[in-house]
Amino acid sequence: QKEVEQNSGPLSVPEGAIASLNCTYSDRVSQSFFWYRQYSGKSPELIMSIYSNGDKEDGRFTAQLNKASQYVSLLIRDSQPSDSATYLCAITLRGFQKLVFGTGTRLLVSP
Amino acid sequence: DTAVSQTPKYLVTQMGNDKSIKCEQNLGHDTMYWYKQDSKKFLKIMFSYNNKELIINETVPNRFSPKSPDKAHLNLHINSLELGDSAVYFCASSQEMGVGVFYNEQFFGPGTRLTVL
Repeated sequence: QKEVEQNSGPLSVPEGAIASLNCTYSDRVSQSFFWYRQYSGKSPELIMSIYSNGDKEDGRFTAQLNKASQYVSLLIRDSQPSDSATYLCAITLRGFQKLVFGTGTRLLVSP
Repeated sequence: DTAVSQTPKYLVTQMGNDKSIKCEQNLGHDTMYWYKQDSKKFLKIMFSYNNKELIINETVPNRFSPKSPDKAHLNLHINSLELGDSAVYFCASSQEMGVGVFYNEQFFGPGTRLTVL
């Protein structure tokens, strides 16, 4: 089983809709959870981090963490064509400084 | 005021050659990393340095040798390049986890696209 799993997509949503991106992880001692956005040919850009169960909102983005279910998600409200990118879920284990990435979900927002 | 910079941006070379990629960060971070992103876009850590000391060394061929002259720089030297080394290499940095810093938010450089012919 992969340490971090994501559906590769593409996930297609119309402009203005809510995009829901999901990620599951296998290691129960995972401590920190991150969502990175990567445009084609660019570097990963940190957009959200979450460390405790529940929701964390930042503008149009909401990260949701459920440690019991080993599940973290990213909701993008009022999706824009500029949100079209690959979204990478990443985790760190307690005491470790390395990020373990999922394979990413490609999001396509159509005008 | 670039935070994490890498040179070169593109590197095209022949099999068997030796090449280096340089990385610098001006964020004042203590920890730096090298990641490899393959053709399937999977991003995997290779090395991590904290204050010039190697702390993470994943299963990477010993043809790859990182060097950290100071905590703001982490270079990657690759000997005897092979076709399978073709990928995008990203440098990243973060604050050291410890007193007052519990979370590992990493910031990435622009990447170096290496093509081995």
